[in-house]
Amino acid sequence: DGGITQSPKYLFRKEGQNVTLSCEQNLNHDAMYWYRQDPGQGLRLIYYSQIVNDFQKGDIAEGYSVSREKKESFPLTVTSAQKNPTAFYLCASSILGDTGELFFGEGSRLTVL
Amino acid sequence: DAKTTQPNSMESNEEEPVHLPCNHSTISGTDYIHWYRQLPSQGPEYVIHGLTSNVNNRMASLAIAEDRKSSTLILHRATLRDAAVYYCILGDGVGSQGNLIFGKGTKLSVKP
Repeated sequence: DGGITQSPKYLFRKEGQNVTLSCEQNLNHDAMYWYRQDPGQGLRLIYYSQIVNDFQKGDIAEGYSVSREKKESFPLTVTSAQKNPTAFYLCASSILGDTGELFFGEGSRLTVL
Repeated sequence: DAKTTQPNSMESNEEEPVHLPCNHSTISGTDYIHWYRQLPSQGPEYVIHGLTSNVNNRMASLAIAEDRKSSTLILHRATLRDAAVYYCILGDGVGSQGNLIFGKGTKLSVKP
């Protein structure tokens, strides 16, 4: 089935360690996005990419990095520079230039101890 | 900042219709109205979107006011699986999905 796969679903890390969250899609979508969600809050955009080898910062990019080497993949690295990394991370994709549906993955919950 | 206003929470009885309101008084002419819902510990799920005319799909209906300053998501018969946080979002047209601002939404509870 087509969709977006995020891994791992749950991740625990020590403070000061970099962490990479995986996001893979087989929907043939050009655009991919990373959001962060804190408890009881809405989603905030971290980074997005509309084409391979290109990406733009969202509202809260500091302390995060991404790459887009393949159309299907958009991994997010949470670096040690991110001051409060414990959160629920969501990856999404969409057809570029479309006004419609944003497809989300199941999310990755990162806890920094 | 979120450009929409929604009630924090609403309750409904199972098998009854639910009307979820959303105010967007500063909507521009090119803004689409999107609705998503999110179950606990899951990613949001697309529900419906529209520009000016009312829209229907298998999940819900979207009623848009004539002046477009408000809209209502209608679930025709609520089920327990409809209990979720519902987000009303404005997007300014083509390619804007990444700029959709998800506020806190409305938490819908469905009682059996």
